[in-house]
Amino acid sequence: KQEVTQIPAALSVPEGENLVLNCSFTDSAIYNLQWFRQDPGKGLTSLLLIQSSQREQTSGRLNASLDKSSGRSTLYIAASQPGDSATYLCAVFLYGNKLVFGAGTILRVKS
Amino acid sequence: EPEVTQTPSHQVTQMGQEVILRCVPISNHLYFYWYRQILGQKVEFLVSFYNNEISEKSEIFDDQFSVERPDGSNFTLKIRSTKLEDSAMYFCASFRDSTYNEQFFGPGTRLTVL
Repeated sequence: KQEVTQIPAALSVPEGENLVLNCSFTDSAIYNLQWFRQDPGKGLTSLLLIQSSQREQTSGRLNASLDKSSGRSTLYIAASQPGDSATYLCAVFLYGNKLVFGAGTILRVKS
Repeated sequence: EPEVTQTPSHQVTQMGQEVILRCVPISNHLYFYWYRQILGQKVEFLVSFYNNEISEKSEIFDDQFSVERPDGSNFTLKIRSTKLEDSAMYFCASFRDSTYNEQFFGPGTRLTVL
């Protein structure tokens, strides 16, 4: 059974810092991987999708990498801002487009 | 930009009552999903739906749950007799095709069972 783990569970950083969020999955037989942002009490906003054949994907200050063989993905946030404060979720695609989610990393960026 | 919408945003119900959660997926999408998130826990897959039938369902999706696409635009999740443990945020998601592209999620319906 696929399990997705995210480390750290919570992170507090000063504004401007670069940071890395980690995601690991137990079964490397995934199709794609998607990173989401969730604000408190709100829905899931897609940040980046990494195809299984890709190593990384970039959008603005965000860069996500994928290493299927080792079962890891990282989300790099450059020059963090208070508006980046949210929970970041990693999810892997299984057969049938079903997503399996990690528990998330709660990020707080202090001004 | 097209988006998935869900209604209501918050539903409060008494234990044992039936609830219907509604979703309008993105118009050219073919695959539809329900997920739920109990407060403080992971987002969990409930069911996937394609071509007017269930493709896959999780262990959570028991006989109390059903899904329907009644009119070609709405996608509904019905819980027949709600339990306290059904209290959660329910998310609808839609997906254009079978090539494992980006899934788009709605804003969620918060269900509170008293």
